[in-house]
Amino acid sequence: GEDVEQSLFLSVREGDSSVINCTYTDSSSTYLYWYKQEPGAGLQLLTYIFSNMDMKQDQRLTVLLNKKDKHLSLRIADTQTGDSAIYFCAESMGYNTDKLIFGTGTRLQVFP
Amino acid sequence: GAVVSQHPSRVICKSGTSVKIECRSLDFQATTMFWYRQFPKQSLMLMATSNEGSKATYEQGVEKDKFLINHASLTLSTLTVTSAHPEDSSFYICSARPQREALYNEQFFGPGTRLTVL
Repeated sequence: GEDVEQSLFLSVREGDSSVINCTYTDSSSTYLYWYKQEPGAGLQLLTYIFSNMDMKQDQRLTVLLNKKDKHLSLRIADTQTGDSAIYFCAESMGYNTDKLIFGTGTRLQVFP
Repeated sequence: GAVVSQHPSRVICKSGTSVKIECRSLDFQATTMFWYRQFPKQSLMLMATSNEGSKATYEQGVEKDKFLINHASLTLSTLTVTSAHPEDSSFYICSARPQREALYNEQFFGPGTRLTVL
């Protein structure tokens, strides 16, 4: 079955690191994604990772994938107030499958 | 590049009327467009997948006669909510997949349309 879970809320101080976690159930996922949604707006792709990778780093963002535990995380270094948003993880199954399954979303609040 | 627009951004209508939402890929051609629905403080739920020139594929539980999707060109898809009722009030988001090879499931998202049915 398809089920992607995230914690609902995370609050961090500006300058600290944020870690947003995601668990999924379908082991046939080929790609996993992190999207950012600002209030009243669509989704912006932040990064993605192929399922045979353990880690991917892109500037302030680090994605860790534990395929055995079906656990995905996004670490944001030096979190800024502009990072305040809702973060969604998502998975897609198969190269020819367009469907994205989104997680429940984590609201990140950054305070000064 | 890879900009997707939606129109209108916000619409309020009376119960029983129909509302059309447009999704356009502005600087690329999209073989496939997707329509999502997002309830307040909840995740995105895929409603349907539309391919240019063919009928849309609807997800389980989505009424195809209620949510009419037309994908007449490689840059435009429309979602019409027919005989709208208050329970149809939601945030509708479209995405578009470019007509090019990509290693991953590349989708670019529109800014969304807030529908309120009175």
